[in-house]
Amino acid sequence: RKEVEQDPGPFNVPEGATVAFNCTYSNSASQSFFWYRQDCRKEPKLLMSVYSSGNEDGRFTAQLNRASQYISLLIRDSKLSDSATYLCVVNRDNYGQNFVFGPGTRLSVLP
Amino acid sequence: NAGVTQTPKFQVLKTGQSMTLQCAQDMNHEYMSWYRQDPGMGLRLIHYSVGAGITDQGEVPNGYNVSRSTTEDFPLRLLSAAPSQTSVYFCASSYRAGRSGANVLTFGAGSRLTVL
Repeated sequence: RKEVEQDPGPFNVPEGATVAFNCTYSNSASQSFFWYRQDCRKEPKLLMSVYSSGNEDGRFTAQLNRASQYISLLIRDSKLSDSATYLCVVNRDNYGQNFVFGPGTRLSVLP
Repeated sequence: NAGVTQTPKFQVLKTGQSMTLQCAQDMNHEYMSWYRQDPGMGLRLIHYSVGAGITDQGEVPNGYNVSRSTTEDFPLRLLSAAPSQTSVYFCASSYRAGRSGANVLTFGAGSRLTVL
């Protein structure tokens, strides 16, 4: 079993739709959590960190459930420019280099 | 401020050849790392460094070598290229951010390597 798992998709949604991605992680000692966005043939870029209390950045909302060991990302009012692969990333410690990446979930927002 | 710069962007090698992927950052980040990305798999850590003169192995270090003589540079060497090393390679540096001050990664644009 992979340490970080995601549904690879693709998720094909119309513009304006709300879409949610889930990610599960197996290491209960994981310390910090992130969503990265990766455009086709580009490098991953930090979308947002995920905090236990949940956090929002514009149309994006991230939630962390430590008890069930899953992380979610909600995108409201999808834009064409949201089309990308979304990577769930977990760090086994806050200040080290033990980042573990999920395989990514591909999102296509259709006109 | 260029961020993380990787060269070359594309490279084709023959089996057995050696080469070095260059990585430089101008943000004075202590931590630097190399990842490879293969289809259907998450990025996997090859080697990392927590500061000049200090390196350590990641998940998939075999066939690769690194050194960190300065804070800015972290080259990745392929000693004897094999077809299994065909991949996209990303260099990253990390910094503390957000309300928790946890490390986050910032990546270079990637280097696409094909080994024939």
